[in-house]
Amino acid sequence: DIQMTQSPSSLSASVGDRVTITCRASQSISSYLNWYQQKPGKAPKLLIYGASSLQSGVPSRFSGSGSGTDFTLTISSLQPEDFATYCCQQSYTTGTFGQGTKVEIK
Amino acid sequence: EVQLVESGGGLVQPGGSLKLSCAASGFTFSGSAMHWVRQASGKGLEWVGRIRSKANSYATAYAASVKGRFTISRDDSKNTAYLQMNSLKTEDTAVYYCTRHQYYYDSSGYYDAFDIWGQGTMVTVSS
Repeated sequence: DIQMTQSPSSLSASVGDRVTITCRASQSISSYLNWYQQKPGKAPKLLIYGASSLQSGVPSRFSGSGSGTDFTLTISSLQPEDFATYCCQQSYTTGTFGQGTKVEIK
Repeated sequence: EVQLVESGGGLVQPGGSLKLSCAASGFTFSGSAMHWVRQASGKGLEWVGRIRSKANSYATAYAASVKGRFTISRDDSKNTAYLQMNSLKTEDTAVYYCTRHQYYYDSSGYYDAFDIWGQGTMVTVSS
C-alpha cells in the first residue's frame, strides 16, 4: 500500500502569510495527488487535483506542485477563512490520505 | 443543486449491523463511481470502499480493514448508494462520508479526485 506523509502536522500563521505544506508518497505516484481542505464538523472540500490543477471555484491563492513522491500545497496569502486542516490524497491506486496538517491562527 | 446526503448512522453494539444510505441529486448518479470514506474523531480520512457504475459492472473494492464485513451497493433508480456494515467493531466508530469519484482530462492526461461530499453520518459502535 502507498503511504502518504504530510509535514508539518500543524502550523501557526498570520493572515497574509505565505504557507507551504508538504506531502510525500512512499512510492512514485506521478501527478496523481489531490489536496482537500476540511473545517471542523464539515466534509472535506477538493482544492487541487492532478497535483497542480485548481478545482473550479477555488481561489487562486491556492496552488499545488510536485510529481513523483514529493508534493507541495501553497497558500500565497493566508486569509481568515483558510484556517482549517489540509489533507493530501493519492489517486494512483485507490486513494490513501495523508494524516492532515492543521493551520492555526498565530 | 449538486449534493449527497447520508443517513442511517447511529449507536450499535459490537457485533451488530447498520446500513448507511447516500442519496444523490443534481448530477448523473448512474454514471458515477461512489466511494465511502470515514474519519474517526481527531483522526485522518480513511478510504472504506467504492462501487463503480453499471458500465463498469458495478465493481466493488474495499479497504483491508473492512473487507468481508462491509458491502457497498447502489440503486440507480433511486440515485442512492448504500454501505451495509456487519460484524461491527469499536474501531469502526467514525463519521462516514459518501463521495463522488470525478475524472478530469487535460493535455497531460487524466486525473481523478473526490469532488462532491456528503455531510457525513456518525456511527458509534459501543456496548
